[in-house]
Amino acid sequence: SYVLTQPPSVSVAPGQTARITCGGNNVASKSVQWYQQKPGQAPVLVVYDDRDRPSGIPERFSGSNSGNTATLSISRVDAGDEADYYCQVWDSSSDLPVFGGGTKMTVL
Amino acid sequence: QEQLQESGPGLVKPSETLSLTCTVSGGSINSYYWSWIRQPPGKGLEYIGYIYYRGRTNYNPSLNSRVTISVDTSNKQFSLKLTSVTAADTAVYYCARTRWFGEFLRYFDLWGRGTLVTVSS
Repeated sequence: SYVLTQPPSVSVAPGQTARITCGGNNVASKSVQWYQQKPGQAPVLVVYDDRDRPSGIPERFSGSNSGNTATLSISRVDAGDEADYYCQVWDSSSDLPVFGGGTKMTVL
Repeated sequence: QEQLQESGPGLVKPSETLSLTCTVSGGSINSYYWSWIRQPPGKGLEYIGYIYYRGRTNYNPSLNSRVTISVDTSNKQFSLKLTSVTAADTAVYYCARTRWFGEFLRYFDLWGRGTLVTVSS
């Protein structure tokens, strides 16, 4: 089955740009989504189809996908962005979604 | 405003059946796929399965033999049943609307707040 690999944690200083990676075999051939989950809350979709943002998601959130790595970038990070972030693709062979293991982002 | 709300018992005994319902409000249940996703305490997201409003389903093979998802379009609800539960099934259970565009672009754009189900005697 298809596997997505994320770093367990990333740390970033306020005002800087955070980059969270999501690795998978030829992941560029798939559409990647990103979800933000704050403590005690449900996940929220922040990027879909590699780089599109749902209505209401700030432009500070952006995505890219190339080769074996998809990346979520968050510019001008502030304390309110501290959360777990999950990537997700749909595995056509099983007709089921695959989630990465999640990355805990800490704002220093 | 479209919303999803999970409901059901927060405590289930081992070997019994976990039953949850998700109610769709502020929008239509028709023309969409609907999913159940769970998250054990302190862990990541685990997909359980989906149902199309017309009844087509697909389940995670790791749970396949124990899972049933059904839909009641007249009441704008869909439900999850998980049989023979153990402590490993303790998790926050989320329902989510699943957007479906072709073979690869499928994602969850609307989530319920989640409900914690604990399996314990």
